[in-house]
Amino acid sequence: EPEVTQTPSHQVTQMGQEVILRCVPISNHLYFYWYRQILGQKVEFLVSFYNNEISEKSEIFDDQFSVERPDGSNFTLKIRSTKLEDSAMYFCAGKNGQRSTDTQYFGPGTRLTVL
Amino acid sequence: SQKIEQNSEALNIQEGKTATLTCNYTNYSPAYLQWYRQDPGRGPVFLLLIRENEKEKRKERLKVTFDTTLKQSLFHITASQPADSATYLCALDSFSGGYNKLIFGAGTRLAVHP
Repeated sequence: EPEVTQTPSHQVTQMGQEVILRCVPISNHLYFYWYRQILGQKVEFLVSFYNNEISEKSEIFDDQFSVERPDGSNFTLKIRSTKLEDSAMYFCAGKNGQRSTDTQYFGPGTRLTVL
Repeated sequence: SQKIEQNSEALNIQEGKTATLTCNYTNYSPAYLQWYRQDPGRGPVFLLLIRENEKEKRKERLKVTFDTTLKQSLFHITASQPADSATYLCALDSFSGGYNKLIFGAGTRLAVHP
């Protein structure tokens, strides 16, 4: 069964550094998402992406964040200047249809630790 | 704003019993409600989706109910097994011009003891 993959599984960085989190969605998926989960807290929506454009973003997704799908396979989340409070698990998700009944498939996550 | 409450942070039950988890929501009238399983350090895994016009949905040992009057969903695992131990997340689909972002509850951590 196809799976969403994410790399790296764990990223440690210094505050102020840039990080890029990578995701390879399932090949027939068209709608893509990033969510994050701070330790012990809820899974929170960050951004949705379709047809090479951001379709919606949360208030968490400020100017320090960006997403792109440069080559039609990888889907990346970049944080330009990391803060301590960016430490969290980041999950990529995708689905192949726009309907609410279309399942979102999540990746295993990248644990980001900002020191 | 939309709010989802899962009113048990943790639930401990004996193997073989039925686990019942609760999800309540406010300030929203979702057409669908979803349940996910999350294991430690892993991403959520979709289990079941129930529509507003469905009272009940079943999948193997799982059963979900959806009461739009009470604004509540119940998630049942019958004949529970230690392998069912995980965190279970309730999620609402929020279509607000974007593409169906999910709003998650905080989850209920289920522990099934042999």
